[in-house]
Amino acid sequence: GIQVEQSPPDLILQEGANSTLRCNFSDSVNNLQWFHQNPWGQLINLFYIPSGTKQNGRLSATTVATERYSLLYISSSQTTDSGVYFCAVERHSGYSTLTFGKGTMLLVSP
Amino acid sequence: GAGVSQSPSNKVTEKGKDVELRCDPISGHTALYWYRQSLGQGLEFLIYFQGNSAPDKSGLPSDRFSAERTGGSVSTLTIQRTQQEDSAVYLCASSPIATSGTDNEQFFGPGTRLTVL
Repeated sequence: GIQVEQSPPDLILQEGANSTLRCNFSDSVNNLQWFHQNPWGQLINLFYIPSGTKQNGRLSATTVATERYSLLYISSSQTTDSGVYFCAVERHSGYSTLTFGKGTMLLVSP
Repeated sequence: GAGVSQSPSNKVTEKGKDVELRCDPISGHTALYWYRQSLGQGLEFLIYFQGNSAPDKSGLPSDRFSAERTGGSVSTLTIQRTQQEDSAVYLCASSPIATSGTDNEQFFGPGTRLTVL
């Protein structure tokens, strides 16, 4: 099956710092989603981004489908950004189920 | 509008008992998915519904697991004869359409935390 690798696995930031999270995938994908899992376990949709670049406030994401990677940028980080960030892909052929990476655990300290 | 809801939020059961987990998808969403999140396995796909039929059951870990969906809406995941390794958070998601390759963003519910003693 398709492999999804996220890096780094853990990240500690000072409030106000910027960061880049990476997601590599092993095969062609139809769709890609970024999620933030908050401390209560809820998966919050950040971006639905099979290709191109999107921005939402301090967050932006870029997917280069031909090179099989996606990047999530967090600028001016806040303590509320802490949590686990997941990348998930829907493979090109087959049903529309998501395969998740193992996530990046982000801790933003004040 | 309302998001995906799941019940119960927490379930503690004894080994060998059966449990039922419920998912209410976003109104009008055709596709419904069950995933499981555990410490050792991360987030893994269990089963996918297109309307009331389940074309992909490949993720169900054993024949003790089953799921159904009625009226193209509510879904129930049943685990029979629970084992300690079934302890995990069970997440449900829904998306507007069932066909892969088009605008099909998945939205997740808050999950049911299952603990098998």
